[in-house]
Amino acid sequence: GQSLEQPSEVTAVEGAIVQINCTYQTSGFYGLSWYQQHDGGAPTFLSYNALDGLEETGRFSSFLSRSDSYGYLLLQELQMKDSASYFCACQNTGGFKTIFGAGTRLFVKA
Amino acid sequence: EAGVAQSPRYKIIEKRQSVAFWCNPISGHATLYWYQQILGQGPKLLIQFQNNGVVDDSQLPKDRFSAERLKGVDSTLKIQPAKLEDSAVYLCASSLGGGETQYFGPGTRLLVL
Repeated sequence: GQSLEQPSEVTAVEGAIVQINCTYQTSGFYGLSWYQQHDGGAPTFLSYNALDGLEETGRFSSFLSRSDSYGYLLLQELQMKDSASYFCACQNTGGFKTIFGAGTRLFVKA
Repeated sequence: EAGVAQSPRYKIIEKRQSVAFWCNPISGHATLYWYQQILGQGPKLLIQFQNNGVVDDSQLPKDRFSAERLKGVDSTLKIQPAKLEDSAVYLCASSLGGGETQYFGPGTRLLVL
């Protein structure tokens, strides 16, 4: 089956850099996505990796190592509005079925 | 470009009643997903459609849940009869094809009493 593991909570201060890790187990891995979800809101897409390496999108970057079944989301210049839950999600090659992790709750302190 | 539309936004029912949710994906998106998200957990895929065909429904409790996507556009998800543990947010998402970028609707918050 498929499973993903990520820390349940991370706390950081405004202006800092934080890294949220995700390890996955799946057969037929295709890619890893990251989503942000504020309380009461819907998940919104942040970043995607299908190949090894770093993808940068503004203050957010995502990294993937297929050999280690590992990825991370890097948030730079943290702002209070970044306080939210962050989910990693993987797709497999069999119809691109998507499995989400349990989420990491990020608290940004002043 | 209009986003994914869902209705209703909120629903309160009693156990053993039935309920239906509606989703209209982004125009041109071939793939449509229904997720169940219980408070404090990640979204759990219930069913995935590619156009009007089912790609995956392995986690759909088929004794009480059903979904259809007629004409490959909008979709309905039905629960009949509802149980207390069905209380959750039901999210609809769509993507162009591969699923790496999914666009979510606002969700329907269901409370079963």
